[in-house]
Amino acid sequence: DIVMTQGALPNPVPSGESASITCQSSKSLLHSNGKTYLNWYLQRPGQSPQLLIYWMSTRASGVSDRFSGSGSGTDFTLKISSVEAEDVGVYYCQQFLEYPRTFGAGTKLELK
Amino acid sequence: EVQLVESGGGLVQPGSSLKLSCVASGFTFSSYNMHWIRQAPKKGLEWIALIYYDSSNKYYADSVKGRFTISRDNSKNTLYLEMNSLRSEDTAMYYCAHSGGSHWGQGVMVTVSS
Repeated sequence: DIVMTQGALPNPVPSGESASITCQSSKSLLHSNGKTYLNWYLQRPGQSPQLLIYWMSTRASGVSDRFSGSGSGTDFTLKISSVEAEDVGVYYCQQFLEYPRTFGAGTKLELK
Repeated sequence: EVQLVESGGGLVQPGSSLKLSCVASGFTFSSYNMHWIRQAPKKGLEWIALIYYDSSNKYYADSVKGRFTISRDNSKNTLYLEMNSLRSEDTAMYYCAHSGGSHWGQGVMVTVSS
């Protein structure tokens, strides 16, 4: 199985500052078709997860442009520019290259 | 508007069975693969199963393989998860999700306890 390892945030993050969340996969998620099979989700307190980014760097419909995804085949970053109160929650990366689909353990973002 | 509504959860004893349902609306259900994903209390997300749009393929996490069965009825726009031989470690919120992860249900709680 592909193991997804997420980094921690230096919480709490001051409002208006940027935050970067890292994720590393145990196997390259770069497919021969040129696409990288990585999603990012945000789960706000008490809510279902919401898709933020797919194909490593494509924002999902309705997602603020303050969120951006980048990376290589095995190392990924979700950047949140100018953190706001609505960004509080747990962020998950997920690979969808192989079965079983696997998630990272989550990275909690708290606001100062 | 896409909607996914799960039902069928509850409190059950270890070793028993339960069947979850997820009714979909707002999109052409029969054209999309569907997932079940669960989240134990205060824990992270665990993908557990996927079914192709036409039921031709099914995939499972090792933690549920042989005990859980994913199925669907495209005529009823409904996804199912049949869970047998339930264990305490199956206690979780169970979510159904659209193929690419773009839409999730609100979740249904399953508690396995004596």
